[in-house]
Amino acid sequence: QVQLVESGGGVVQPGKSLRLSCAASGFSFSNFGMHWVRQAPGKGLEWVSAIWYDGSHTYFADSVKGRFTIARDNSKDTLYLQINSLRAEDTAVYYCARGRNYYDASASDYWGQGTLVTVSS
Amino acid sequence: EIVLTQSPGTLSLSPGERATLSCRASQSVSSSYLAWYQQKPGRAPRLLIYGTSNRATDIPDRFRGSGSGTDFTLTISRLEPEDFAVYYCQQYGSSPLTFGGGTKVEIK
Repeated sequence: QVQLVESGGGVVQPGKSLRLSCAASGFSFSNFGMHWVRQAPGKGLEWVSAIWYDGSHTYFADSVKGRFTIARDNSKDTLYLQINSLRAEDTAVYYCARGRNYYDASASDYWGQGTLVTVSS
Repeated sequence: EIVLTQSPGTLSLSPGERATLSCRASQSVSSSYLAWYQQKPGRAPRLLIYGTSNRATDIPDRFRGSGSGTDFTLTISRLEPEDFAVYYCQQYGSSPLTFGGGTKVEIK
């Protein structure tokens, strides 16, 4: 069965960096686009970033552009999100999600359980 | 950026009743690339509908999506106890992808 397991969250000081990982299993990871979506405590969903199946195209929300980087290692079936210059407003549960297609324009049909990032001094 | 506005914010209904949720876009959604998700407290979102009206795997037929252009609707024909949750629409036709603010369906 499809599984997505995020890791790397924690409490981080403002201005610091963090790398989140998402380990995929149960499907051909290299055939699907992948997404990161976040949810601040008590708030709604916010799409953050997407990457094509081969890593050739990446996309970001305006709120994170220039600070976040998305990448994938298809040999390890793993998705990454590098978060730099962390701000208090980045505090959220970060979900990785599988796109239904190989590219970015797709709904997300499988989601991980999420990893909590808390930005606090 | 396409802004999605969901209404109402909260819907109070009884089991067995019909729920109608609205999602309005600030501009036309490309190729009807509109999805609906259900989220329960402490859980990840679950895809219900993609491409405006296509049910995702294992989604019961009491969930129906419809609409086009800028106006979309999720209808739950007869609410089951497990349907009380928050529902989000998402457009994925243009970048950045965006979500609506959500509609909470609560037990009356």
